[in-house]
Amino acid sequence: NSKVIQTPRYLVKGQGQKAKMRCIPEKGHPVVFWYQQNKNNEFKFLINFQNQEVLQQIDMTEKRFSAECPSNSPCSLEIQSSEAGDSALYLCASSLNPNSDYTFGSGTRLLVI
Amino acid sequence: GDQVEQSPSALSLHEGTDSALRCNFTTTMRSVQWFRQNSRGSLISLFYLASGTKENGRLKSAFDSKERRYSTLHIRDAQLEDSGTYFCAAHDTNAYKVIFGKGTHLHVLP
Repeated sequence: NSKVIQTPRYLVKGQGQKAKMRCIPEKGHPVVFWYQQNKNNEFKFLINFQNQEVLQQIDMTEKRFSAECPSNSPCSLEIQSSEAGDSALYLCASSLNPNSDYTFGSGTRLLVI
Repeated sequence: GDQVEQSPSALSLHEGTDSALRCNFTTTMRSVQWFRQNSRGSLISLFYLASGTKENGRLKSAFDSKERRYSTLHIRDAQLEDSGTYFCAAHDTNAYKVIFGKGTHLHVLP
């Protein structure tokens, strides 16, 4: 069982709908990452946080995607207006510092129909 | 081109045989982590290396300490439960993220 908890396990949304997924990092890990894995097994980095602050994010994340890691609450990744191309496995990982090893959650599998 | 080139992309071998997976990096990397992804999508960490080699049971991994531009994962005496997709992820020296290879789909045959 992973120490990083992601919910929900599966998410089905219609195009244009909001899709929101959550992640509880491993206890004591202040750094959180979000990755998108497509059906071709390609991983795309989306955003990372240290405590509540964004360290890095890609352009895609700045538009339809939003993410936050509030104190004392799960981190979340939300797609404002889902598109078919957003269908993927969304993986959350946490670590002690940005350069140390990652612990991944089991992912949220999003299907946009 | 891809910063992390993983090979082979797929591998079938019989139980009891040995195999080697490799990742080449187009630039110097800080460290490398190897994962196995199961059928449910969970990424299980196998090794994290900043240098040298590590061994755990039938698995052994190495990270080139000199040039820091390749890493290997050796599986000895393959078992059916080793089947899955293996990924290397290189920690970028200049950014707070890892770059994944495209994976090796390993199928162990009885």
